[in-house]
Parts: sequence; structure tokens; C-alpha cells
Amino acid sequence: KAGVTQTPRYLIKTRGQQVTLSCSPISGHRSVSWYQQTPGQGLQFLFEYFSETQRNKGNFPGRFSGRQFSNSRSEMNVSTLELGDSALYLCASSLGLRDQPQHFGDGTRLSIL
Amino acid sequence: GQQVMQIPQYQHVQEGEDFTTYCNSSTTLSNIQWYKQRPGGHPVFLIQLVKSGEVKKQKRLTFQFGEAKKNSSLHITATQTTDVGTYFCWSNTGNQFYFGTGTSLTVIP
Repeated sequence: KAGVTQTPRYLIKTRGQQVTLSCSPISGHRSVSWYQQTPGQGLQFLFEYFSETQRNKGNFPGRFSGRQFSNSRSEMNVSTLELGDSALYLCASSLGLRDQPQHFGDGTRLSIL
Repeated sequence: GQQVMQIPQYQHVQEGEDFTTYCNSSTTLSNIQWYKQRPGGHPVFLIQLVKSGEVKKQKRLTFQFGEAKKNSSLHITATQTTDVGTYFCWSNTGNQFYFGTGTSLTVIP
């Protein structure tokens, strides 16, 4: 079956703009988590959505938001972009029960100029 | 806040040598997962440990969960060039998910 699909793969934005990233989970998976990966900070947890509700949240400012649709697809939005937001954004899907393995997409590489 | 520290940060080994990475937490973990990320790739799930003192094996890979559930290790016997990548541990506590800082493994043929 198809894996986790993230679009777009690459994105270039300027400071102050906003951006929306998309994640389509594996069919049947109801949980989608988002992570930010940078060389300096490693992999940091943004938030997790399950059945259209944010179930868990990391320590990122309110500029980072997300949502999940009834088909489990998820979007992540970052407003008022800063240079430090340049990163690889990864989403992962799982069945949704606690402690299930996560399946990652290839990520969206976001560059802020 | 809680952090999951991994050591070493980098490891260079000759092909055929063994490799071990360690994850340490200041608090008790409910479970721990291990992931491998190849250069330019995304993390791929390897295994999950849940029980205190649990040991699991996958071919040349051995995973352990500490008795106090505050640490874990991944050991690779007789490394191969295909083992190259960064190995991460992952856990969750309350409403937070944590990845370890990662250990980057280079295998010299």
C-alpha cells in the first residue's frame, strides 16, 4: 500500500510569509504527527492529530499550527516565517493506538530567504 | 523539560567492527522505539521495547531496555556498509514525543 505522502517536497519562502504543508497518511492510519528536523536541534516534535483533534503538542510557538481532516490528511501551517524556520518538516502516520510504530514521509524541505 | 540524550553523537567504525549507541533519560519511559535514518532519507522504524529489561534481536541488531526503563541501547554486530545512517531513539511521556539526539554511524569499508 502507498506510504506517507508529503507535498510539496521543496519550498522557498521569504521572511514574514506563511506556508502550508500537506501530509497524506497511510490508508487506515488515523494519527498524524509532525516533526521539525534541523542540524542544530535534531528532530523536534510539533504536534499530533488523531481523529481531527490535536491530541499532543510540542513546545513550538503559536505560529505553528495544524489541522486534520476527516480523511486523516493533515496540514501544517507556519505564519510569519522566520529564518530559523528553515528545516526539513517530517510527518509520520500511525494507526493511532498508543505507542504504535510511526511511518514517515520523505518530508518537505523549507528554506526561508 | 525532559530530554532523551544519545551517545555518542558520531561513530566511525571499520567494516566488521561492532557499534553501540545509548539513549538515556532523566525520567522513566513508558516505551522506547528505535529508528534509522539514511543520509537524505526519512526515519524508518526498527523496533519497540516496552518491558523493563527487555532484549530484542533483529539479525545483527540487539536492542535493550534498561531495568529502570530510563535507558536503552542498540548494538550492531559486525557492521556492514549498509548500516550507515543516523540511529535515533524515540519515546513519549504524557503529551510529549521525544526523539533522542541521534548517533551518526559511518562505516569505513
